[in-house]
Amino acid sequence: EAAVTQSPRNKVAVTGGKVTLSCNQTNNHNNMYWYRQDTGHGLRLIHYSYGAGSTEKGDIPDGYKASRPSQENFSLILELATPSQTSVYFCASGDGLGGREQYFGPGTRLTVL
Amino acid sequence: GMPVEQNPPALSLYEGADSGLRCNFSTTMKSVQWFQQNHRGRLITLFYLAQGTKENGRLKSTFNSKERYSTLHIKDAQLEDSGTYFCAPWGSGGSNAKLTFGKGTKLSVKS
Repeated sequence: EAAVTQSPRNKVAVTGGKVTLSCNQTNNHNNMYWYRQDTGHGLRLIHYSYGAGSTEKGDIPDGYKASRPSQENFSLILELATPSQTSVYFCASGDGLGGREQYFGPGTRLTVL
Repeated sequence: GMPVEQNPPALSLYEGADSGLRCNFSTTMKSVQWFQQNHRGRLITLFYLAQGTKENGRLKSTFNSKERYSTLHIKDAQLEDSGTYFCAPWGSGGSNAKLTFGKGTKLSVKS
């Protein structure tokens, strides 16, 4: 079965600080995704990647960077964290040309004070 | 309008009841995933459909790309079915070539 893990699972950061959220997948999927979920809403796409070395902007990329150093790892970076980035962040992996099933990690709860 | 609309926004059922959730799309979609988000916040994939109908135990889902909708039917509701259900269709190309989540249906099952 597909396995996507995230670390940390919970994080408290201060405004202006740098935060890195990590995601690892053992499925050998080409595509990886970062989403955020805010109370009462579905997930929204921040960044995604088609493979090692590639990052693409999703629907809400402002204030975030992404890094895909390898097939297995995809990081989301908040260079200057703000309270509006308090949210739950989900990573996912998927394969194929698109329209294929995505497998989600357990989520990271980030609080920016 | 919203690319993905889920109805109803909230639903309350007694144990043993049957009910259906619906997801309407504003444009043609290539496939759809249905998720249950449990009380711990974990997203559990229920179905992935590129066409037709799938069943898994008490759950059944249908995807009609041409008519732009998908449904999730829950039979004999149980307490553990409580949670929020999301549909997430995959668009057919260009800027739509991604999962777009609906706002979810919050289901409460009571004894």
